Amino acid sequence: AQSVTQPDIHITVSEGASLELRCNYSYGATPYLFWYVQSPGQGLQLLLKYFSGDTLVQGIKGFEAEFKRSQSSFNLRKPSVHWSDAAEYFCAVGDSNYQLIWGAGTKLIIKP
Amino acid sequence: EAGVTQFPSHSVIEKGQTVTLRCDPISGHDNLYWYRRVMGKEIKFLLHFVKESKQDESGMPNNRFLAERTGGTYSTLKVQPAELEDSGVYFCASSLRWANEKLFFGSGTQLSVL
Repeated sequence: AQSVTQPDIHITVSEGASLELRCNYSYGATPYLFWYVQSPGQGLQLLLKYFSGDTLVQGIKGFEAEFKRSQSSFNLRKPSVHWSDAAEYFCAVGDSNYQLIWGAGTKLIIKP
Repeated sequence: EAGVTQFPSHSVIEKGQTVTLRCDPISGHDNLYWYRRVMGKEIKFLLHFVKESKQDESGMPNNRFLAERTGGTYSTLKVQPAELEDSGVYFCASSLRWANEKLFFGSGTQLSVL
């Protein structure tokens, strides 16, 4: 069965430091992969997605993610975080029925 | 352009009562999705409308949940009677085509069943 694992429930990072959020998936075919972010009081917003082609994907707000088929991973990165990046981040994979299978989310806490 | 709107933002009810959640998608979006997130867990798919038709309702937990989308515009999700395990955040999302495209989410309804 398809699944998505986000191993870190919480991550704390100092403002200005680099960030990497982990995402591992289980899916038989070439996956469609997504990262969404939910800021406090807001709906989820799409950061970036991978369908095919270049395995390094650029998204909004300075985020990028790299698809690594050999590791079944799609980790999200940002070189320097800002206080406004504090939010919950969700990784998802699109299944054969065009529905999304979601991870449990990672809460990002920014230290001043 | 207005985003996806959900109402109410919070609802606290007692076990056995009925609650109706509403979602207004972005105008012109034929695809409407309901998801639920129980505290700290992953977001779970409930169902998918294409216009007024239920395309996929495989995620609906049981027959206490009834979703409608009359006229292919707004959607309602009714829980009757509510049980304790129904507590969670109910998200609605819409898209022009399908979920492997960009989804636009509402801010959710926090449902607490006491």
